[in-house]
Amino acid sequence: GEEVAQTPKHLVRGEGQKAKLYCAPIKGHSYVFWYQQVLKNEFKFLISFQNENVFDETGMPKERFSAKCLPNSPCSLEIQATKLEDSAVYFCASSQERQGASYGYTFGSGTRLTVV
Amino acid sequence: TQLLEQSPQFLSIQEGENLTVYCNSSSVFSSLQWYRQEPGEGPVLLVTVVTGGEVKKLKRLTFQFGDARKDSSLHITAAQPGDTGLYLCAGDLGAGNMLTFGGGTRLMVKP
Repeated sequence: GEEVAQTPKHLVRGEGQKAKLYCAPIKGHSYVFWYQQVLKNEFKFLISFQNENVFDETGMPKERFSAKCLPNSPCSLEIQATKLEDSAVYFCASSQERQGASYGYTFGSGTRLTVV
Repeated sequence: TQLLEQSPQFLSIQEGENLTVYCNSSSVFSSLQWYRQEPGEGPVLLVTVVTGGEVKKLKRLTFQFGDARKDSSLHITAAQPGDTGLYLCAGDLGAGNMLTFGGGTRLMVKP
């Protein structure tokens, strides 16, 4: 399809529970990115994939966050033992090329995670 | 301190007015993109600028990339209520594959 599909739209978790978010990138896009948008609109880079391979994970809090992009499956971002500070909107984006310099990113509508 | 500083953070104007949003950095970017985000949605790409000094127009929107590729501006002529939204600049430092985002400018255009 021509849109990046993220599910669920909203997710509420108690502190310490697991959260799993999904993203189906646009068919034909080789690169997938996850960003976290917190209060004051700040976008924080988490991780990127080239097909099913991790390309850059410098933004990931590795002790609790993990992500995968497996063939023929939606990409996923999982947070083990959620904390209040994980409350944010998580965006997935896909791109035809590594840095999106010419084509830019196509973003999904995001998953709003609320940790209570 | 953010790598990309956007100003102003908030802007409320009347329909028909002109406005300019700025995106500044001390770093040089390989390219810079502008996005618009509406509530409950992801950012939507408006334009990508690549060459220093480049000017691109999209209807009433004019985008400029600074000569040194450290800054950019977005100018809207005769703003309309439909222009209301969060405008984000995002730069590619060329060091990796992720974009670095500015803090955004929230624009409200009143009828």
